[in-house]
Amino acid sequence: SQKIEQNSEALNIQEGKTATLTCNYTNYSPAYLQWYRQDPGRGPVFLLLIRENEKEKRKERLKVTFDTTLKQSLFHITASQPADSATYLCALDFSGGYNKLIFGAGTRLAVHP
Amino acid sequence: EAGVAQSPRYKIIEKRQSVAFWCNPISGHATLYWYQQILGQGPKLLIQFQNNGVVDDSQLPKDRFSAERLKGVDSTLKIQPAKLEDSAVYLCASSPGQGDEKLFFGSGTQLSVL
Repeated sequence: SQKIEQNSEALNIQEGKTATLTCNYTNYSPAYLQWYRQDPGRGPVFLLLIRENEKEKRKERLKVTFDTTLKQSLFHITASQPADSATYLCALDFSGGYNKLIFGAGTRLAVHP
Repeated sequence: EAGVAQSPRYKIIEKRQSVAFWCNPISGHATLYWYQQILGQGPKLLIQFQNNGVVDDSQLPKDRFSAERLKGVDSTLKIQPAKLEDSAVYLCASSPGQGDEKLFFGSGTQLSVL
């Protein structure tokens, strides 16, 4: 079965630095990959989607890359702010576009002033 | 636009009791999902509806869990009887479909089974 791995340890960085989060998967590549942000006591909020045939996507301070050879996606937040502190989840669609997403366990990001 | 509405926000029950959760998706969203999120884990898909039909319920423990989507809009998820391991946050999400795959989540119902 498919496995998704995200860093289980929290990532602590200084304000203004770039945060880089990793999402690794096994076996075959998904049709697309999504990143979500989750704050305590809240549901996940969609951030970015990148498809199998795309290498990179950007949205404001966010950038996501997708390397099907390495079976890895990287999620970058540039010029990080304390308000970026949250848990970030990657979610992969292995159902060929039927949007049956499998979520990773998430990585908690803490941005310190 | 209004978001995905869920109720109740919290629920505490004893094992073997029954419980029901309600979800109202974003207006016009054809696809509705129920996810279970255990503390420290990512959301796990329980059931996916397209309008009022079930697309996938392969991970729904059907001996105790049931779900329905009335008239392709609101949905309820029921657990009967509850077990201790059902303690989790139950998240409802909806998506527009038709090539727009992003999910919009509600705030969830936190269930504690004692």
